[in-house]
Amino acid sequence: QVQLAQSGPEVKRPGASVKVSCKTSGYTFVHYDLHWVRQAPGQGLEWMGWMNPKRADTGHAQKFQGRVIMTRDTSTGTAYMELRNMTSDDTAFYYCARETRGHFDHWGQGTLVTVSS
Amino acid sequence: SYVLTQPPSMSVAPGQPARIPCGGDDIGSKSVHWYQQRPGQAPVLVVYHDVDRPSGIPDRFSGSKSGSTATLTISGVEAGDEADYYCHVWDSSADQVFGGGTRLTVL
Repeated sequence: QVQLAQSGPEVKRPGASVKVSCKTSGYTFVHYDLHWVRQAPGQGLEWMGWMNPKRADTGHAQKFQGRVIMTRDTSTGTAYMELRNMTSDDTAFYYCARETRGHFDHWGQGTLVTVSS
Repeated sequence: SYVLTQPPSMSVAPGQPARIPCGGDDIGSKSVHWYQQRPGQAPVLVVYHDVDRPSGIPDRFSGSKSGSTATLTISGVEAGDEADYYCHVWDSSADQVFGGGTRLTVL
């Protein structure tokens, strides 16, 4: 069955970077785009960006311009999202999600990233 | 930017229908998807392409659209349906957009 397994929780200082991984299984990695969505405590879902694993094309929401980098390792079926220069406003659960024809049909379990001094 | 508007909360008695609206400009031309998020869990797709249901989702969940509003209907609400519900579309100017979410409370 399709699974997206994310890396564990992280605690970072303001100004630091975090790299979250999303290891996929149960399907052909390069056949589906992957998206990153975050959720601050008590808040709604916020789309961050996407990646085409086959071509390594990426796109992101304007507010993350210059701070987010999405990469992948096709040999292991793993996607990565790196967020740089974090502030306390970046404290959130970060989710990867597989896209199928416009909708997100499978999600990772989420990774809690806490930014605190 | 494109905005999807949902009521922050809704309360429904068990066995009654819950109708969760999602409003947006020209939503009739967009494909609307819905997710359920139970406390402490990742979102789960419950309706896609306005009206389709993934395998494993009970047929109590259905989607519709009329005018500038899409609606997720849960017929015969159960205690296990208590969760946050989000609508989602793709927009050419904003890419992926989520509504603010509706917290459904089962009385």
